Amino acid sequence: DAKTTQPPSMDCAEGRAANLPCNHSTISGNEYVYWYRQIHSQGPQYIIHGLKNNETNEMASLIITEDRKSSTLILPHATLRDTAVYYCIVRVGVNTDKLIFGTGTRLQVFP
Amino acid sequence: NAGVTQTPKFQVLKTGQSMTLQCAQDMNHEYMSWYRQDPGMGLRLIHYSVGAGITDQGEVPNGYNVSRSTTEDFPLRLLSAAPSQTSVYFCASSYSSTAGNTIYFGEGSWLTVV
Repeated sequence: DAKTTQPPSMDCAEGRAANLPCNHSTISGNEYVYWYRQIHSQGPQYIIHGLKNNETNEMASLIITEDRKSSTLILPHATLRDTAVYYCIVRVGVNTDKLIFGTGTRLQVFP
Repeated sequence: NAGVTQTPKFQVLKTGQSMTLQCAQDMNHEYMSWYRQDPGMGLRLIHYSVGAGITDQGEVPNGYNVSRSTTEDFPLRLLSAAPSQTSVYFCASSYSSTAGNTIYFGEGSWLTVV
């Protein structure tokens, strides 16, 4: 199963872009990269996912390298409410909900 | 549309007691799963189901049983609770795993075993 590596913590000034890196060098060709975040101990909140191409939605952008071994989540204008633990996850297989969580990156947005 | 609903939100058990954590979704999702989260760690998969009548083990299945008699419900049973099962439990569901569908999580059930 592919696993991910993320820095344990990052800081970002409010209003600036937050760029959260993730390494998934053992990812397989049919495995998606998902990003979730968890605020305090609430249920994980879906942010974005992708397979090969870069993706953008109302919350964030996901940049995946051409070799798919790493990706970056971009929050374009971070706010204090974006302070959370961000998980980069590889979804294993095509007939399961198996997500392999790492320990995530704790993003602290400061005023 | 309630999404993924978990009950109870908080529970204290004595060692050896049994209980069932309930999970229900109203989105007609095929796939459902249970995760546990210990302090300072990411979520770990306990059991999952790809449809009614079908279940399989995840990363940490020992001490837990599941069944999936309906599409909507996926209860998690602790047959004989142990202090090591003190954790936060999250239920998740998705329509299907093909084409990278979104997985939705419930708000969690806090379980303490004393």
